[in-house]
Amino acid sequence: GQQVMQIPQYQHVQEGEDFTTYCNSSTTLSNIQWYKQRPGGHPVFLIQLVKSGEVKKQKRLTFQFGEAKKNSSLHITATQTTDVGTYFCAGSKAAGNKLTFGGGTRVLVKP
Amino acid sequence: KAGVTQTPRYLIKTRGQQVTLSCSPISGHRSVSWYQQTPGQGLQFLFEYFSETQRNKGNFPGRFSGRQFSNSRSEMNVSTLELGDSALYLCASSLYTGESEQYFGPGTRLTVT
Repeated sequence: GQQVMQIPQYQHVQEGEDFTTYCNSSTTLSNIQWYKQRPGGHPVFLIQLVKSGEVKKQKRLTFQFGEAKKNSSLHITATQTTDVGTYFCAGSKAAGNKLTFGGGTRVLVKP
Repeated sequence: KAGVTQTPRYLIKTRGQQVTLSCSPISGHRSVSWYQQTPGQGLQFLFEYFSETQRNKGNFPGRFSGRQFSNSRSEMNVSTLELGDSALYLCASSLYTGESEQYFGPGTRLTVT
């Protein structure tokens, strides 16, 4: 079945530094979504990418969808303590298919 | 607009019992998906309902079942509970089908003893 892997599983970042988390799918995706879950909270939708090579920015967050639509990345610049949480990517093979979540990257920020 | 609500928020059950969890989606949303979240396994897809029909199903045993009512509210049931069923059960609603943007509820924390 479809598998979505995220690396790294954990990311310790010094406040102010940049980091990138990666998402890889075993199959071509129709779209990829990113969610953020704060400690003790529930996943909150961040963004959806649908086009090959698409890049979207949200303030300090940059999301990219790979050319082959099998991978994606989230890059955060100038990390802040508010960025703490687990970032999940989720992809679907086609319209009407279920959304498969990656295992998440847990981000810890050192002040 | 009110968000996704789930009841109860916390539940403690004994092995062998059954449990029913409830989810009320955002008004106007027709799709409801259920996920199991555990520290070791991440977010595992259980099933998705759209207009009262199960559209997709994950790889869970038949002890896990669900349904959706005409008002889009959904319930999931777990029978013959096992210790390994202890988890956070999240419900998510979306406007269209399950692959579109999902809005999660706060979850039900189930503990099986």
